[in-house]
Amino acid sequence: GNSVTQMEGPVTLSEEAFLTINCTYTATGYPSLFWYVQYPGEGLQLLLKATKADDKGSNKGFEATYRKETTSFHLEKGSVQVSDSAVYFCALSDSGGGSYIPTFGRGTSLIVHP
Amino acid sequence: GAVVSQHPSRVICKSGTSVKIECRSLDFQATTMFWYRQFPKQSLMLMATSNEGSKATYEQGVEKDKFLINHASLTLSTLTVTSAHPEDSSFYICSAGGQGGGYTFGSGTRLTVV
Repeated sequence: GNSVTQMEGPVTLSEEAFLTINCTYTATGYPSLFWYVQYPGEGLQLLLKATKADDKGSNKGFEATYRKETTSFHLEKGSVQVSDSAVYFCALSDSGGGSYIPTFGRGTSLIVHP
Repeated sequence: GAVVSQHPSRVICKSGTSVKIECRSLDFQATTMFWYRQFPKQSLMLMATSNEGSKATYEQGVEKDKFLINHASLTLSTLTVTSAHPEDSSFYICSAGGQGGGYTFGSGTRLTVV
């Protein structure tokens, strides 16, 4: 079956530090990959996505590259801000017989200190 | 770890009927649950935020009278799709948690309206 594994948090950084949140996946098909963000008290929001190998998704300074050879989709940002403090979810959406059932990681909490 | 049980996993109903989807937090109390919808090859879309003992907060464009949400206890939230039509066919998923930054998702419900 499909699965998504992402690094456990919380990840605690100082402002302007470099961020990496690792995500690896297993899938039976050829999935689309996503990163979602959830700010305190709010629902999930799509942060970025990639639909095929070597695609790079980017948004708000965050980037992630679809690496089929390593089955990874690590999230990076060059300089984090306090406002980036949130929970980040890696996810995949696989056709799985046409049902496109999503699979989520558990989420990684990011805390950025001034 | 925290578990969110969502039922049913799949349901097929006739056009014009109503379908209820349940989301239960099994080993923790969830004052807030989120309901999402996903279309094929697309990301999750937040439908509403369900708060225990009060009215749900719906996202713009989501019909309150069509998607009834009830959060009667700290462990149960329900989504009822009323007078379902084929265009309501989709994947619905709930999530809850947030303590320590970890969120748990239900396994999802595949609704098919015929």
